[in-house]
Amino acid sequence: AQKITQTQPGMFVQEKEAVTLDCTYDTSDPSYGLFWYKQPSSGEMIFLIYQGSYDQQNATEGRYSLNFQKARKSANLVISASQLGDSAMYFCAMRVPGRRALTFGSGTRLQVQP
Amino acid sequence: EPEVTQTPSHQVTQMGQEVILRCVPISNHLYFYWYRQILGQKVEFLVSFYNNEISEKSEIFDDQFSVERPDGSNFTLKIRSTKLEDSAMYFCASSSELSDEQFFGPGTRLTVL
Repeated sequence: AQKITQTQPGMFVQEKEAVTLDCTYDTSDPSYGLFWYKQPSSGEMIFLIYQGSYDQQNATEGRYSLNFQKARKSANLVISASQLGDSAMYFCAMRVPGRRALTFGSGTRLQVQP
Repeated sequence: EPEVTQTPSHQVTQMGQEVILRCVPISNHLYFYWYRQILGQKVEFLVSFYNNEISEKSEIFDDQFSVERPDGSNFTLKIRSTKLEDSAMYFCASSSELSDEQFFGPGTRLTVL
């Protein structure tokens, strides 16, 4: 069975600072995909970034980057130069081959302070 | 930019009633999903749908639930005889064959009284 663990229920960061949101995962499949989604207070789920288990490079999308450490089974999201609009819940999720379902972690609530 | 849409945004129903939640996936996507999120909790997978049939379902998706693609654009989730614990945000999502990325709709908040 797959499992995603997000150990930080809440995080604070100052505007313009970088922040790292932790995510560890557990799967016996050698091939898998890791995702990060943002959920603002309005409730929608916004895709941020994807990392495949065989990708050689860490994924980056603008101010978002994924610090993928395969041996440690971690896929931490790094947000650089935080903005007030980054305040939201952030969910890490995983998909394994043969299944389309995403398994989500419990989320981290990020608050960016001016 | 194409997006997944869901209606209604909020549905209030009495316990025991049937509800139908509607979704319009992105037009060229072939995989459709329903997830739910009980208030303050994580997002949970319910069901995936491909080629006009259920391809995968979770243990949450019991006989109370059903999905349907009644026409070429809509994808629906029916909950028969709703229970108080069905109160949650229900998200529809879709994805293409070419990408793992699942695009989520804005959600329908279901309140069962």
